Amino acid sequence: SQQGEEDPQALSIQEGENATMNCSYKTSINNLQWYRQNSGRGLVHLILIRSNEREKHSGRLRVTLDTSKKSSSLLITASRAADTASYFCATDPYNAGNMLTFGGGTRLMVKP
Amino acid sequence: DADVTQTPRNRITKTGKRIMLECSQTKGHDRMYWYRQDPGLGLRLIYYSFDVKDINKGEISDGYSVSRQAQAKFSLSLESAIPNQTALYFCATSAVAGALHNEQFFGPGTRLTVL
Repeated sequence: SQQGEEDPQALSIQEGENATMNCSYKTSINNLQWYRQNSGRGLVHLILIRSNEREKHSGRLRVTLDTSKKSSSLLITASRAADTASYFCATDPYNAGNMLTFGGGTRLMVKP
Repeated sequence: DADVTQTPRNRITKTGKRIMLECSQTKGHDRMYWYRQDPGLGLRLIYYSFDVKDINKGEISDGYSVSRQAQAKFSLSLESAIPNQTALYFCATSAVAGALHNEQFFGPGTRLTVL
């Protein structure tokens, strides 16, 4: 079963708009990570947020974590056509040997 | 050069054939993983290895086997391929670390079609 569930499953926006994706999970975690996958390619790690952190930034990416609600969001600001990809959250649950569990992903399309 | 490589990148085979997918890494990581991805879905863990002598089953290991030949090499075998094993297969690695830096690094994937 998947620990993380992304919402929405698909998102289509215009270039320049912001894109927000959400991830909900079920158990306590050590950290939560976001990955990007271009069509048919391997996943690429974007950002890691620890359980004691509430917000983290990396370039145009902003990640928040609310452990009380067991949820995280990924915001991509000023989106570009090149941001078109699938985005996955992955959780590192407590007592799981630092193994990651991946969600089903959000497919983002950014129209030029 | 890529840190995590997979061969072959594409493979078409027939039902009942034995197939081996290979993964090599130059990152010096101890942990290696094999995942399967079906269209429009997330990743499911098939097998993982924490070091050469430590192999573990994942969520969907039935019909698959693995071999960790060296720290840098981890191969996945389908003993007798069946059509519902048609999928995109990924190898990944991670360092032995605590909760702070356990991000995974993925290979480019192998697209396997079983007819």
